[in-house]
Amino acid sequence: AQSVTQLGSHVSVSEGALVLLRCNYSSSVPPYLFWYVQYPNQGLQLLLKYTSAATLVKGINGFEAEFKKSETSFHLTKPSAHMSDAAEYFCAVSHYGGSQGNLIFGKGTKLSVKP
Amino acid sequence: NAGVTQTPKFQVLKTGQSMTLQCAQDMNHEYMSWYRQDPGMGLRLIHYSVGAGITDQGEVPNGYNVSRSTTEDFPLRLLSAAPSQTSVYFCASSQTGLASNTGELFFGEGSRLTVL
Repeated sequence: AQSVTQLGSHVSVSEGALVLLRCNYSSSVPPYLFWYVQYPNQGLQLLLKYTSAATLVKGINGFEAEFKKSETSFHLTKPSAHMSDAAEYFCAVSHYGGSQGNLIFGKGTKLSVKP
Repeated sequence: NAGVTQTPKFQVLKTGQSMTLQCAQDMNHEYMSWYRQDPGMGLRLIHYSVGAGITDQGEVPNGYNVSRSTTEDFPLRLLSAAPSQTSVYFCASSQTGLASNTGELFFGEGSRLTVL
């Protein structure tokens, strides 16, 4: 069965600093990987996704993530944090087809941005 | 474009009461699902449906029922509420089956349920 581990339930950075949110996955077959963002009192929205095309994936709001099969990782980065990036971020994994196509979410990482 | 609409947004129940959380989408999506979100637990899948008349259990189905009589609607029923069901519930839909080539789930804004 697939699973996702997000390292760090809370990450704090200064405005303008690098954002790095870590995600490792477990999967016996090639996975689809996703990052979603949740702003306070809202639902989740897709930031970016990896579906076996380019290993470096660019998303919205300047975020990107790199799929590294050897490390089973899909870390999310942004070169320069903005106050508006403060939110909770969820990594998710799935496979195509059947019940394995459901998204399995990590426990989330709450990002705080200090002025 | 309304997307995924959940009602109610807030609800307080007493232990043993029943209620239905409503979910409707206007995007003609085949796949719909219900998740619950609890602090430090992320999102956990309760039930899902890949089309009208087809439903299946997710990771935490106990205490919840679903049905899918139309493409648009996917209600979640709590038959006898328990304090452990206090949570924020999200409905989500996807254009094609599960996380295929599009891979994107569209989420509602959530329903916050408190069971006393």
